[in-house]
Amino acid sequence: AAGVIQSPRHLIKEKRETATLKCYPIPRHDTVYWYQQGPGQDPQFLISFYEKMQSDKGSIPDRFSAQQFSDYHSELNMSSLELGDSALYFCASSLQGGLREQYFGPGTRLTVT
Amino acid sequence: AQKITQTQPGMFVQEKEAVTLDCTYDTSDQSYGLFWYKQPSSGEMIFLIYQGSYDEQNATEGRYSLNFQKARKSANLVISASQLGDSAMYFCAMREPISSGSARQLTFGSGTQLTVLP
Repeated sequence: AAGVIQSPRHLIKEKRETATLKCYPIPRHDTVYWYQQGPGQDPQFLISFYEKMQSDKGSIPDRFSAQQFSDYHSELNMSSLELGDSALYFCASSLQGGLREQYFGPGTRLTVT
Repeated sequence: AQKITQTQPGMFVQEKEAVTLDCTYDTSDQSYGLFWYKQPSSGEMIFLIYQGSYDEQNATEGRYSLNFQKARKSANLVISASQLGDSAMYFCAMREPISSGSARQLTFGSGTQLTVLP
């Protein structure tokens, strides 16, 4: 069965650079979530999209932005990167209206040097 | 206020024994979902089991079962017949509905690091 695809899987950037993370949800899933997991921490919600509109917003810095495109894939854009942005970034997808079945992608490990 | 509480930062269990990982939650919603995820050292987040707040029976998935006690707001994960490959971080998470029809994001607990001893 198709799963959530994230690219790239690993990314190394320097401070003040920009990064773009991509997420391709499971086919027919209309909701995408982005989470950030710092070292030794639990995943923290950043932002979500439902039917290409922003649905909910968590602790996403102003330096970050995201969008969902017409084909339902989503991109997380991160600018002016800081050392503290080094983390594992997960994308998850689900179907509208349900409380269950939120599937995670493998994550993108971002390292800021 | 903490929505999901996992009070065991680390747990050890002998191979082939059962282990219970604790999770308590806080919500004012009547409808919600509870999840357990496994995160091995490689980093991926693996879905294990789901319990809906209206489900009358405890969820089971193979060696995993969820001991759901709604009145106590607890959703403990029981792993039977532990295997070495079960060594990982385990997260309890909750998902609450929002009025627009879509569901909220997951809120995670701080996790329990389980180590299975040979």
